[in-house]
Amino acid sequence: QVQLEQSGAEVKKPGASVKVSCKVSGYTLSELSIHWVRQAPGKGLEWMGGLDREDDESIFAQKFQGRVTMTEDIATDTAYMQLSSLRSEDTAVYYCTTPETGTWYFDYWGQGTLVTVSS
Amino acid sequence: DIQLTQSPSFLSASVGDSVTITCRASQDILRYLAWYQQKPGKAPNLLIYAASTLQGGVPSRFSGSGSGTEFTLTISSLQPEDFASYYCQQVDSYPRVTFGQGTRLEIK
Repeated sequence: QVQLEQSGAEVKKPGASVKVSCKVSGYTLSELSIHWVRQAPGKGLEWMGGLDREDDESIFAQKFQGRVTMTEDIATDTAYMQLSSLRSEDTAVYYCTTPETGTWYFDYWGQGTLVTVSS
Repeated sequence: DIQLTQSPSFLSASVGDSVTITCRASQDILRYLAWYQQKPGKAPNLLIYAASTLQGGVPSRFSGSGSGTEFTLTISSLQPEDFASYYCQQVDSYPRVTFGQGTRLEIK
């Protein structure tokens, strides 16, 4: 059983960067493909990007190209998502999620991290 | 990119009713479609994958159907705990995935 534990809420000023962590337990990070999905207040789910474990390459939604970085620390089984040049529209709950090994559907989700961008 | 259009965006129903939500894809995605339920303040929960396969532990009143570009989620005999938001997701282009815009199901 995979468990994903995310870091706590953040408040950032416009133009700053935020880095959200997602610690894996139950599996090793290298067995999983971590994706990031965000949800602005009152809005729907928006896929930001994820790791293609076959190529070990991160794939990003066009909207976030150049602003998002996804990294991994295999030693601590922790994935990170960093979003830069924050603006008010980036205020959202950010989720890490992953398919169970061998599938493409998001079986497991972190609890979410609220990022608030405000001057 | 593959676009998903859900309808309706909002649905009002009573306990015991049966409801259907539709998800249309902008191109053929075979059966690579999932449905998620999300309750306020919680992460989404996978209900159905491969268009019609129930995830373990999901009640049988939930069912999915469709292939190609048109898919449906049906909830028969609505229970109080079913009032939530529902999202479809395509994984045909995995790892690049997309979600529908969501359907909010409220108690009438």
